[in-house]
Order: sequence, then C-alpha cells, then structure tokens
Amino acid sequence: GNSVTQMEGPVTLSEEAFLTINCTYTATGYPSLFWYVQYPGEGLQLLLKATKADDKGSNKGFEATYRKETTSFHLEKGSVQVSDSAVYFCALSDRGETSGSRLTFGEGTQLTVNP
Amino acid sequence: SQTIHQWPATLVQPVGSPLSLECTVEGTSNPNLYWYRQAAGRGLQLLFYSVGIGQISSEVPQNLSASRPQDRQFILSSKKLLLSDSGFYLCAWSAYSGTGGYTFGSGTRLTVV
Repeated sequence: GNSVTQMEGPVTLSEEAFLTINCTYTATGYPSLFWYVQYPGEGLQLLLKATKADDKGSNKGFEATYRKETTSFHLEKGSVQVSDSAVYFCALSDRGETSGSRLTFGEGTQLTVNP
Repeated sequence: SQTIHQWPATLVQPVGSPLSLECTVEGTSNPNLYWYRQAAGRGLQLLFYSVGIGQISSEVPQNLSASRPQDRQFILSSKKLLLSDSGFYLCAWSAYSGTGGYTFGSGTRLTVV
C-alpha cells in the first residue's frame, strides 16, 4: 500500500536559518505529492504540491521537488521566520480510478522557529 | 469559490453522551468528503470517507459513525462517547477527479470528560 515517511520532529531553528524537512514515499503508479501546514489550533492548509516527476512546488518561500528516482519530496526554505512555526505534513494522492483521489499523510513534523 | 464549514469549533462532552459534528461544503458538486481525527501531538487518522450520498467507508472500527444525507453534508456521530474519543476532528473535501489535494475545515476540538 501507499505510505509516507517524514523526518521526525520536533525541529527547532533560529530565525533566518535554512530549513529542510525530509519526506519519502512508497506508492504504485504516479502519485501527486503535497505539503500541508497546520498552525496551532487550526485545520490543515495546502502549502504546495507537485503532480509529476521533476515538478517543483513553491509557495511563501517554501519549495519541494518531486524526485521519482529517490521517491522523495523534501520541503525547504532558505530563511525561516517565527511565523513559520507550525506542523508540516507530507502527503501523496493515489488518484484511485473508481473512488477519486485519497490522500495518505505522513506523521507530521513540528517546527519551532525562535527569534 | 468553494468553502467548507465545520462546527462547532470546540465541544466538551461527558462520557456516555451522544455526539454530532457537522460539515458542509459550498460551491462544488459531488465532492469526496472525509473525517479525520488528530490526537494530541500525533498525525492524522482517517476515520470515514464518502464518494456520494449514503456511501460511507470506514477506515477503523470504533464507536463513531458517519452519514451523508445530502451531497454536500457530512455528519460524524456517536451514541455514547468514550474518553478516548477526545481529539481534534477535521473534515475535508476533494474533487472526485483531478490531481487530488484536500481542502480542510477549521476543525472541532472535542474533549470528553
């Protein structure tokens, strides 16, 4: 079955540090890949996505590249801010033919950015 | 544009009491609908999903149930809550076809006391 493995947290960084959160996946076929962000007390928001190999998703300074050869979708940001403190979830979509798409989520990585 | 509404935002219920959480979607037709639970400090657990009115699939056995009485309405229920039902409940929708991706509601924080 499909699975997503995320870098374990929590991750604590100082403001303006470089961020990488690793994500690898196991899937059949050609899934779409996503990063979601959850701020404290809120639901999840789509941060970025990539739908095919070598696509790069980007938003709010965050980037992730769909690497089929390494089955990875690592999240990066060059300079984090305190406001980036949140839980980050990597996910893949299996695009089932008869039931529509379903997402498989990683366990989430807690990021804390200190001023 | 599509929007998703989930209520209530917070709920404190005694053990053994019933539960009803409601989720509605606007601006789309025939969405896939989902209920997730997030225990404190942990990942997301898919509880139920629905691809159409009256069609409910359960991912885990539990004392919760779900119903979809209308195309854009999804309800999570329990007849008797347990302490272990406490958590953050999230509703989400996705288009039936396409490249996937969900839109989540703002969540309900349920505390069973």
